[in-house]
Amino acid sequence: DTEVTQTPKHLVMGMTNKKSLKCEQHMGHRAMYWYKQKAKKPPELMFVYSYEKLSINESVPSRFSPECPNSSLLNLHLHALQPEDSALYLCASSSYGQTYEQYFGPGTRLTVT
Amino acid sequence: DAKTTQPNSMESNEEEPVHLPCNHSTISGTDYIHWYRQLPSQGPEYVIHGLTSNVNNRMASLAIAEDRKSSTLILHRATLRDAAVYYCILRRSSSNTGKLIFGQGTTLQVKP
Repeated sequence: DTEVTQTPKHLVMGMTNKKSLKCEQHMGHRAMYWYKQKAKKPPELMFVYSYEKLSINESVPSRFSPECPNSSLLNLHLHALQPEDSALYLCASSSYGQTYEQYFGPGTRLTVT
Repeated sequence: DAKTTQPNSMESNEEEPVHLPCNHSTISGTDYIHWYRQLPSQGPEYVIHGLTSNVNNRMASLAIAEDRKSSTLILHRATLRDAAVYYCILRRSSSNTGKLIFGQGTTLQVKP
């Protein structure tokens, strides 16, 4: 199974709401990633988790809060977002080694109203 | 992180070979060259990677210049399904995080 699943597929939320994005993989990968992708732009790295510990935070605002409860799950908690945070949020995972081939999920399309 | 430069867009005819170029003149000796592609409405997918030698896999071939300042992704027979944005990315081998920094990529159109 080389699949990364993300839920929900679409999410609409108001600026005062709290919501969470979920990502799951069962490939035994110990590195997991969150990316943000605006329309017609490349993905931008947000966070990297290594062995369930946060190893990289690319200066992401605190209204985005990642969590890695176990080696298969990655969450992104959202609170007090702005309309400019509307984007496709992609999750990826990889094993350690020479390749670091990343497997991406299909993404969650987030709209902040 | 070293930067890559790719053409914004390219066109190809179906069943013909496609050569997608990438310039990376500031590449360091420990940088791997990775290629990913993103089909419409999907997440990116890994295509191929290399360090110094040319590489082949079931999806594509990667030709790396002798001075490593450029590389070319080769799709041997383009299909309509290969229409996507192709990203050339450098990854430092000393990095233990697998961190990828995506550039703007090349949008490939395949005409029937």
